[in-house]
Amino acid sequence: GIQVEQSPPDLILQEGANSTLRCNFSDSVNNLQWFHQNPWGQLINLFYIPSGTKQNGRLSATTVATERYSLLYISSSQTTDSGVYFCAVRDDKIIFGKGTRLHILP
Amino acid sequence: GAGVSQSPSNKVTEKGKDVELRCDPISGHTALYWYRQSLGQGLEFLIYFQGNSAPDKSGLPSDRFSAERTGGSVSTLTIQRTQQEDSAVYLCASTHSYEQYFGPGTRLTVT
Repeated sequence: GIQVEQSPPDLILQEGANSTLRCNFSDSVNNLQWFHQNPWGQLINLFYIPSGTKQNGRLSATTVATERYSLLYISSSQTTDSGVYFCAVRDDKIIFGKGTRLHILP
Repeated sequence: GAGVSQSPSNKVTEKGKDVELRCDPISGHTALYWYRQSLGQGLEFLIYFQGNSAPDKSGLPSDRFSAERTGGSVSTLTIQRTQQEDSAVYLCASTHSYEQYFGPGTRLTVT
């Protein structure tokens, strides 16, 4: 089946910094989503982005399907951005990466 | 309701007992997934329902685990003869147009 790899596994940044999270996948996929799991465990949809670029406030995402990767950009990070960021792709079912744990220091 | 709901939010049970976890998906969503997340880990796929098709049970870790979805809506995940390694957060998600929406999860603790 499809393999999904996320990097880096852990990231510690000072408030105000920018960050780039990466998601690589091993084969063609039908779609891709980015999620944020907050410290209370709730998974929140960030982007549905099978290809192209989307932006929502300080967050943006780009998927280059032909090269099998997606990037999530967080600008001017805030402490509320802390948590785990997952990407998920769909083959015959939805497969999650192991996540990037982001910790924003005040 | 506005989102996916799960019940109970927390469940503590003794080893060997059976438990049932419930998921109410968003109305009209045809696909429903169950995942398990152990502390500090990623999401482990358990089972997937799509419309009236036979469910994809390939992620169920043992025959102690089963799930059903009644009327294409509410789903119940049943764990029989619980073991301590079953302790985890069980997450349900419903899907519309390939986008997943997650419930708050049920935290299961087996003592």
